[in-house]
Amino acid sequence: TQLLEQSPQFLSIQEGENLTVYCNSSSVFSSLQWYRQEPGEGPVLLVTVVTGGEVKKLKRLTFQFGDARKDSSLHITAAQPGDTGLYLCAGAKTSYDKVIFGPGTSLSVIP
Amino acid sequence: ETGVTQTPRHLVMGMTNKKSLKCEQHLGHNAMYWYKQSAKKPLELMFVYNFKEQTENNSVPSRFSPECPNSSHLFLHLHTLQPEDSALYLCASSHGGGTASYEQYFGPGTRLTVT
Repeated sequence: TQLLEQSPQFLSIQEGENLTVYCNSSSVFSSLQWYRQEPGEGPVLLVTVVTGGEVKKLKRLTFQFGDARKDSSLHITAAQPGDTGLYLCAGAKTSYDKVIFGPGTSLSVIP
Repeated sequence: ETGVTQTPRHLVMGMTNKKSLKCEQHLGHNAMYWYKQSAKKPLELMFVYNFKEQTENNSVPSRFSPECPNSSHLFLHLHTLQPEDSALYLCASSHGGGTASYEQYFGPGTRLTVT
């Protein structure tokens, strides 16, 4: 059983479209992070959300942490081919727990 | 060099070989990690070191042997591997002295193929 679920598993869209991917759990997390991983490379940290209901923006990317701190979403506006990659969410229940990664959403943006 | 570096980037080895993966971080972090990433599976944490001390061994087979001589360097010694060990091996580092850290910085990985 996955502690962190991500949906959709795969997503293929045209350049310029908007999209949202989700990270869900039945457990409460003290924080969640989002990473992007390009083929053949390691994941790169995008953002950390800590407070329930928190919204963070990174250019065209908007991250939200659920009020109950059990879920998070990533919204991309006007997707570009450079956004292609595997989007991973990760979190720890407390500062003494190991970080757990979700299975990822593989995004492909077609020019 | 900046960030987290890993060598080699690609490795092909037979089941009877012995090889080592190397990771170096230039971020002044205190914790270092080994992860395994296989196709269609989530990242699997293998080992965690804090201040050179191993604090996590996630039921990893003994054919994988980690070594952390200082806070900046981490090795993964490999011997008698199986084909199912073929994967991308990622090293990461972070601040903090606990088992968990909120933000990890990854190297580019070593793509390992066991023949």
